[in-house]
Amino acid sequence: GAGVSQSPSNKVTEKGKDVELRCDPISGHTALYWYRQRLGQGLEFLIYFQGNSAPDKSGLPSDRFSAERTGESVSTLTIQRTQQEDSAVYLCASSRGTPGNTIYFGEGSWLTVV
Amino acid sequence: AQSVTQLGSHVSVSEGALVLLRCNYSSSVPPYLFWYVQYPNQGLQLLLKYTSAATLVKGINGFEAEFKKSETSFHLTKPSAHMSDAAEYFCAVSDSGAGSYQLTFGKGTKLSVIP
Repeated sequence: GAGVSQSPSNKVTEKGKDVELRCDPISGHTALYWYRQRLGQGLEFLIYFQGNSAPDKSGLPSDRFSAERTGESVSTLTIQRTQQEDSAVYLCASSRGTPGNTIYFGEGSWLTVV
Repeated sequence: AQSVTQLGSHVSVSEGALVLLRCNYSSSVPPYLFWYVQYPNQGLQLLLKYTSAATLVKGINGFEAEFKKSETSFHLTKPSAHMSDAAEYFCAVSDSGAGSYQLTFGKGTKLSVIP
């Protein structure tokens, strides 16, 4: 597609439920990134994919967070047993995967845990 | 490990005045440096990037930034602020060596433009 597409754009969920957030990167981009942005704060790196493998998972905050990528395309970020502190905007980004390449961001998925 | 410090979480300027947003970085290898802008309720948009070519980088919307290795800085400037420049600005650094190429962001600077 023309840009990075994320869904849902907004999600309200009850504490303890699982959520799945989807990212469709720009066609041909081998690198895919997930970031979290809490209200009024900067961007927090979560995970990076090169192709379908994730060489850098260092930012995942707990074992309740997981992500996968299939077909070197779509990625899903799953949050199990959501907590209120998980409320944030989850931003997906993609790039051609070589140093210095521009990383393009989606509009984000706004998650509210009530 | 790399890090980014943005001095000033909020900056206010008058319309037509100079915009200066400060960014200092820390990196163990030559860095790639980026400025992104985020308008309310939108994703991040690239303003400009430095990838070891010219040290003065020109971006969109009249913004530019200068890479100063001796000062480990990459400050963003615009000669004359416009109301439409009101947004949050993020400086980011990427490792030019082998690695994940993920961006490490500063905490952001919210720019207000006063009419």
